[in-house]
Amino acid sequence: SQKIEQNSEALNIQEGKTATLTCNYTNYSPAYLQWYRQDPGRGPVFLLLIRENEKEKRKERLKVTFDTTLKQSLFHITASQPADSATYLCALPDTGFQKLVFGTGTRLLVSP
Amino acid sequence: EPEVTQTPSHQVTQMGQEVILRCVPISNHLYFYWYRQILGQKVEFLVSFYNNEISEKSEIFDDQFSVERPDGSNFTLKIRSTKLEDSAMYFCASRKGQGASGELFFGEGSRLTVL
Repeated sequence: SQKIEQNSEALNIQEGKTATLTCNYTNYSPAYLQWYRQDPGRGPVFLLLIRENEKEKRKERLKVTFDTTLKQSLFHITASQPADSATYLCALPDTGFQKLVFGTGTRLLVSP
Repeated sequence: EPEVTQTPSHQVTQMGQEVILRCVPISNHLYFYWYRQILGQKVEFLVSFYNNEISEKSEIFDDQFSVERPDGSNFTLKIRSTKLEDSAMYFCASRKGQGASGELFFGEGSRLTVL
């Protein structure tokens, strides 16, 4: 099954800067990859989906890239705000597409 | 906007007791899931449910666990005899279909504390 690696150390940045989070996977390249946001004590909330044939996807201040050669996705938040502070989870479908497997997540802290 | 709802938000129980966690998925969704998250750890898959039967389950989902969709709207997770290590946040999720719309919609979770 898939193994997903996200940086377990928190990422601290200043408001207005671009945050870049990394997701690496180790096995087969999935048909798509997803990013979720999770606030403390709450359920994950879907942000973006990127398919294997897409290099880049944007939604407002969010940008996701997907490099199947490197087996890596990068998640960018431009012009970051304190309200962006949360844990960001990378998720991939496992074999058969019946379930999503989640990474451990990276905590982002945006200071004013 | 449609959402997944879960009850209770928090349950405290004694070890060995039975617990039922309830979920109402989004009405036109076809796939249903339970995930759990132990404090400080990752969101872990427990079980998926489609067409009124379990489609996949993890190693965690042993004989102490069961799921049901008794009436076409509720989706329940039962833990027959709780253990201390069952203490976690349990998330229900639903999905419209596979392939193109793969995103999961999660509920706010049920926090289970086993004493």
